[in-house]
Amino acid sequence: LAKTTQPISMDSYEGQEVNITCSHNNIATNDYITWYQQFPSQGPRFIIQGYKTKVTNEVASLFIPADRKSSTLSLPRVSLSDTAVYYCLVGDAGGYQKVTFGTGTKLQVIP
Amino acid sequence: DTGVSQNPRHKITKRGQNVTFRCDPISEHNRLYWYRQTLGQGPEFLTYFQNEAQLEKSRLLSDRFSAERPKGSFSTLEIQRTEQGDSAMYLCASSSTGVETQYFGPGTRLLVL
Repeated sequence: LAKTTQPISMDSYEGQEVNITCSHNNIATNDYITWYQQFPSQGPRFIIQGYKTKVTNEVASLFIPADRKSSTLSLPRVSLSDTAVYYCLVGDAGGYQKVTFGTGTKLQVIP
Repeated sequence: DTGVSQNPRHKITKRGQNVTFRCDPISEHNRLYWYRQTLGQGPEFLTYFQNEAQLEKSRLLSDRFSAERPKGSFSTLEIQRTEQGDSAMYLCASSSTGVETQYFGPGTRLLVL
């Protein structure tokens, strides 16, 4: 399983765009990149998944460069409710995925 | 709500007692996972079922831990002779073959006194 590295924490003001970068230097050809969000005392919640280039949904965007050795989760105009821990994971989305979480990035949104 | 559900949400027990948690996955999902999460850490994989077959177990799953998924639907995780170090959040997730996004339940928080 490809190991990921993320910043431990980030602070942002409300209304700002937040970009969280994850590095995964040994990502395999079949691996997808998935981001989860977790609030205290809740299970992780799926945010977005991608393989290459850019993926956008109603919650976030995911930017993946051509070499796929990193990815950036972009949260537009964050609000206080976006304060959470964000996990980046890589794995083969086509088969069984023994997901390995790191410590994630704790995002604190400041009013 | 058709998401993953877990019961109970909280459990307080005394050291040495046995506890059992239940997970009901999303109905069409054939894969089910158990994780354990301690404070400040990401979830750690414990075990994985495909239908009723338990296909992988982590080294974290000691002899005191057992998981079942008898009919390929709900699953139970039992901890025997609980220890204070077992205090954690126990998370269940499910997914479908070929679409491996895992959907998590709310977790069961265990406190062993």
